[in-house]
Amino acid sequence: AQKITQTQPGMFVQEKEAVTLDCTYDTSDQSYGLFWYKQPSSGEMIFLIYQGSYDEQNATEGRYSLNFQKARKSANLVISASQLGDSAMYFCALSSYKLIFGSGTRLLVRP
Amino acid sequence: GAVVSQHPSRVICKSGTSVKIECRSLDFQATTMFWYRQFPKQSLMLMATSNEGSKATYEQGVEKDKFLINHASLTLSTLTVTSAHPEDSSFYICSARSGGGQGYNEQFFGPGTRLTVL
Repeated sequence: AQKITQTQPGMFVQEKEAVTLDCTYDTSDQSYGLFWYKQPSSGEMIFLIYQGSYDEQNATEGRYSLNFQKARKSANLVISASQLGDSAMYFCALSSYKLIFGSGTRLLVRP
Repeated sequence: GAVVSQHPSRVICKSGTSVKIECRSLDFQATTMFWYRQFPKQSLMLMATSNEGSKATYEQGVEKDKFLINHASLTLSTLTVTSAHPEDSSFYICSARSGGGQGYNEQFFGPGTRLTVL
């Protein structure tokens, strides 16, 4: 069975500071992928970053980086230099054939 | 990047009527499409997986006779909510995957359809 867990229902961060959103997962698959998506109030799902289970280096995409700790089965998202536009829901997702989403974390960036 | 469209973006209907939602991959061929439902302040829940030309695979607890899925071509999948009731009011999101040439099977999401059943 696959499971993905986000334990932070809501987070605050001051503008220009960094923030870490937690994500842990469980799977029996050897090959899998981990995704992070942003969902603003409009509802669209915006792809942020991907980490493959065999990738040796942590993924980075601009201000987004993924802290992948395979032994601990965690894939935390780090957003550096937060901006007001970063306020949104953030979902972690586990993929082998289909995507399984975590419950999400609502991030609010304070000016 | 790949673009997926959904139509309509919003729909309001009366209880007992049926509503069809279209999901199109605009610039790639989608061998697999997924349908999700999202209730307010909740996560996306996978409803079903559809492969072009074959019957959809529904997740446990999803009524296949109520949520009819047709994946008639490599660029179009439709979700029909039959005899809709107020509890079917939700945000429905589709995603599409090309199934080849990608190392990590990225899914491309449509913008979603907000269904309100009165």
